[in-house]
Amino acid sequence: DAKTTQPTSMDCAEGRAANLPCNHSTISGNEYVYWYRQIHSQGPQYIIHGLKNNETNEMASLIITEDRKSSTLILPHATLRDTAVYYCIVSRDKLSFGAGTTVTVRA
Amino acid sequence: ETGVTQSPTHLIKTRGQQVTLRCSSQSGHNTVSWYQQALGQGPQFIFQYYREEENGRGNFPPRFSGLQFPNYSSELNVNALELDDSALYLCASSLSGRETQYFGPGTRLLVL
Repeated sequence: DAKTTQPTSMDCAEGRAANLPCNHSTISGNEYVYWYRQIHSQGPQYIIHGLKNNETNEMASLIITEDRKSSTLILPHATLRDTAVYYCIVSRDKLSFGAGTTVTVRA
Repeated sequence: ETGVTQSPTHLIKTRGQQVTLRCSSQSGHNTVSWYQQALGQGPQFIFQYYREEENGRGNFPPRFSGLQFPNYSSELNVNALELDDSALYLCASSLSGRETQYFGPGTRLLVL
């Protein structure tokens, strides 16, 4: 599975959009981009995934560049409960987690 | 809630002992994957079971073994426990090996 690069940490203000970048320059054509998040000591929570097209669901939006070498997860209106470690994963099947981005939402 | 359950929630063992962790998959899911998450790190893939057969394994020694039952629930067995086996053990279920995985709450194992 391709490796990903994410910022170690980021802060965002409550009520504002949070934009989380991810680089995956070695992604293969059949690999999906997945985003999960993990709130302290809980199991990872699935957020969203995509292959080529941008995707949106009730939690977030996923923007994938045309060359698929990077993507951005957008949390449209961050709340304090969105404070978590966010993992960007590229995969066909087995999930390979990196260190993720620690996102802290501040009031 | 994902519908994936794990038991027990916490467990304390001593070095050299054996442990069995259990996972019930979400209804309709036939694939279970197991992950180990050491403190401060991301989850690491142990193995995956699809329709009762092992379907891929990560870089873990043979003392980590598993089973999947006809109802698609699964067990993770670890023999000869070592101190470094202390971790959060996560299972995830999916419709198949290539579908989105949904995680359970995990079992926290402490080896003394």
